[in-house]
Amino acid sequence: GAVVSQHPSRVICKSGTSVKIECRSLDFQATTMFWYRQFPKQSLMLMATSNEGSKATYEQGVEKDKFLINHASLTLSTLTVTSAHPEDSSFYICSGRYDRSNYEQYFGPGTRLTVT
Amino acid sequence: GENVEQHPSTLSVQEGDSAVIKCTYSDSASNYFPWYKQELGKRPQLIIDIRSNVGEKKDQRIAVTLNKTAKHFSLHITETQPEDSAVYFCAASRRSTSYGKLTFGQGTILTVHP
Repeated sequence: GAVVSQHPSRVICKSGTSVKIECRSLDFQATTMFWYRQFPKQSLMLMATSNEGSKATYEQGVEKDKFLINHASLTLSTLTVTSAHPEDSSFYICSGRYDRSNYEQYFGPGTRLTVT
Repeated sequence: GENVEQHPSTLSVQEGDSAVIKCTYSDSASNYFPWYKQELGKRPQLIIDIRSNVGEKKDQRIAVTLNKTAKHFSLHITETQPEDSAVYFCAASRRSTSYGKLTFGQGTILTVHP
């Protein structure tokens, strides 16, 4: 099956710093990647949708200047949390789709971000 | 936009019993309905999915039914085992728009007691 990796798996940073999370599709070309945030005991909430070579589309309420998404290639998307605060602490999960005719999304293992 | 409601939020069953989780969706144009199992700290795993041109799909102990008219779909797990204990999420998407983005239900914590 299609495999998606994320790096790092866990990160702890100080308040006010920025953190970059990488999402890679290892054995397929992800024309579309999605970024989700999941708080403890809650559901996955879509943050943004990104397509290779174009600007990401952010969901309502998600600050695009705070959560910078870059989808530079068909196998790599990055999420940068800028000026992180403790309330940004969460589980961040990415997923990829390999073409528009395929319904399924392939999820990465997630990144646990803790902001102190 | 799409809204997905999932019930119950928690479900406790004895090993060997059946478990049923129900979801309703609001967008009549949604045409893809996956179910995911998520263990603590792990990624969601697709366990079964159904498309709008099908009313029911089964895979061993797991089945999903879809009622397009009523806009609801259900997950059925038979002969439950302790390893089925996890959080289950339903989701809905409309493939033709927004690149098929998924809207998730709130989740159901399933506990199977030995």
